[in-house]
Amino acid sequence: GQQLNQSPQSMFIQEGEDVSMNCTSSSIFNTWLWYKQDPGEGPVLLIALYKAGELTSNGRLTAQFGITRKDSFLNISASIPSDVGIYFCAGQNRSNYQLIWGAGTKLIIKP
Amino acid sequence: DVKVTQSSRYLVKRTGEKVFLECVQDMDHENMFWYRQDPGLGLRLIYFSYDVKMKEKGDIPEGYSVSREKKERFSLILESASTNQTSMYLCASRSGVGPYEQYFGPGTRLTVT
Repeated sequence: GQQLNQSPQSMFIQEGEDVSMNCTSSSIFNTWLWYKQDPGEGPVLLIALYKAGELTSNGRLTAQFGITRKDSFLNISASIPSDVGIYFCAGQNRSNYQLIWGAGTKLIIKP
Repeated sequence: DVKVTQSSRYLVKRTGEKVFLECVQDMDHENMFWYRQDPGLGLRLIYFSYDVKMKEKGDIPEGYSVSREKKERFSLILESASTNQTSMYLCASRSGVGPYEQYFGPGTRLTVT
């Protein structure tokens, strides 16, 4: 099936650094979702975006729904050790039940 | 808060066995989903159900079947387990009328030997 282009694949960062990741698609979406998955657990919803241009925050996390409706960005400010995990983006059209998933961005904090 | 539970966190089965994975959600959601997750392949949709007794094939339905007899429960069945079905299985649910976020269970790590 279709998959979103999510980058980077992985990131090594220092504690306290800001993090940015993004997803792009060849199709337009009505909804963008960002999830975080810890090892051995199911994905947990972080932020949901429903409107082109929308900017939404959840604590130190900020996500944006691109104006073209073909991309989305997630920023994490002042990273802490518990931010480690895999972050997934997912897009959806209203006419379809299915989510289209990115391959994930693995966040690793340098000791 | 939405709660999605899965019957087992870890399961070990033998090749050829029939395997049932159960998922229950407590938010009265119409839609439920089964995914498998493998390293490097991301989340792949196996089946979904948009209402009781309704089901649709996802991207990789071969070797699987599903059952949705009650709104809160969605079962994934491996008719004859094979080693290539060793994977992490994730169940999700969402409202049928919006918002359309999917909420996931903790996953079942299935090993077929």
